[in-house]
Amino acid sequence: SQQGEEDPQALSIQEGENATMNCSYKTSINNLQWYRQNSGRGLVHLILIRSNEREKHSGRLRVTLDTSKKSSSLLITASRAADTASYFCATEYTGGGNKLTFGTGTQLKVEL
Amino acid sequence: GAVVSQHPSRVICKSGTSVKIECRSLDFQATTMFWYRQFPKQSLMLMATSNEGSKATYEQGVEKDKFLINHASLTLSTLTVTSAHPEDSSFYICSAQGTENTGELFFGEGSRLTVL
Repeated sequence: SQQGEEDPQALSIQEGENATMNCSYKTSINNLQWYRQNSGRGLVHLILIRSNEREKHSGRLRVTLDTSKKSSSLLITASRAADTASYFCATEYTGGGNKLTFGTGTQLKVEL
Repeated sequence: GAVVSQHPSRVICKSGTSVKIECRSLDFQATTMFWYRQFPKQSLMLMATSNEGSKATYEQGVEKDKFLINHASLTLSTLTVTSAHPEDSSFYICSAQGTENTGELFFGEGSRLTVL
């Protein structure tokens, strides 16, 4: 399976703290994306980073990509209770024809 | 932004019946749609890639006669779970690739199927 792995599986923090999630994958990629899923809902695209990029920012989100280590991290700064959700990384593998393979996910809980 | 509508959001059916789930791109044309299945607290597993006007491409281990996919137009793909059984109960999510092909996928809200 080419499914990536994320850690931690679950993360509980206080509002205002930063949350960091990590994703590892297995083969060469075109891009890596992060998605958010609220319980029982669809996925919302957060950010896409291409294989030739190392870091990308979007609002309170910061994503890094290390292709030599086949890993990525998602940092959410100054977390809010509304950030509580599951976060998935997804990779578009080279030669995969635009298909995305999702990681195992991190369940983030931000407490007041 | 691009909107994908999925219907129904919840469906309960008896064993042996067939259930159709629709996935529509509302404000863009989607030549490619993807169907995923998600078990509770687990990741999304790609079932098949749906291409407008051609047969779907199924992932290994997915029964194409069990999960019929039709992508008859640039804005509609349907997934039909045929002769449903309790083990088919799951959360099914569709996604569509926009015409700009940026790599980003737009997801429907998902359909929770419960087979009694």
